[in-house]
Amino acid sequence: RKEVEQDPGPFNVPEGATVAFNCTYSNSASQSFFWYRQDCRKEPKLLMSVYSSGNEDGRFTAQLNRASQYISLLIRDSKLSDSATYLCAVNSRGSNYKLTFGKGTLLTVNP
Amino acid sequence: DTGVSQDPRHKITKRGQNVTFRCDPISEHNRLYWYRQTLGQGPEFLTYFQNEAQLEKSRLLSDRFSAERPKGSFSTLEIQRTEQGDSAMYLCASSLVIGVSEQFFGPGTRLTVL
Repeated sequence: RKEVEQDPGPFNVPEGATVAFNCTYSNSASQSFFWYRQDCRKEPKLLMSVYSSGNEDGRFTAQLNRASQYISLLIRDSKLSDSATYLCAVNSRGSNYKLTFGKGTLLTVNP
Repeated sequence: DTGVSQDPRHKITKRGQNVTFRCDPISEHNRLYWYRQTLGQGPEFLTYFQNEAQLEKSRLLSDRFSAERPKGSFSTLEIQRTEQGDSAMYLCASSLVIGVSEQFFGPGTRLTVL
């Protein structure tokens, strides 16, 4: 089993739709969790850190479920500019904080 | 621009040649990471520095790869005797020691080995 697995996608949604991505992790010692956004041929950009209590930033909501070992990202009222690959990343206690990434999920928002 | 910078942005080389990439982290960040990303995959960890000390190397990092961070500032990643399988995007990230340690990535160096 891969250490971090994401919905394989791709996701194609119309503008204004709500879309959710899930990510599961296998290492119960995982400590910090992140969502990154990556545009084609660009670097990953930090979208959100994911906190135990869940957190929201505008149209984006991230949730963490430690018992089931998954994190989620919800995008409401999606925009054309949200089209990108969304990567989840985790780091583990004692791992020197290196990030382990999922493969990413490609989102295309259509007009 | 106070973000992470990398140079060069693109490198095309012939198999067997040596290449060196440079990363300048965000100035107050003392953690520096190198990752490699191939098409359709997420970034994979290569190596990690805290200040000038290289504290971890991935098994992905064969003995043809070497990284340095003299004086705890910029870092270089050298690949000797490049192979076609080394073609990838090489990403550098930096973070603070304290807190959640959010990592911020540079624009990457895209390496093509012919």
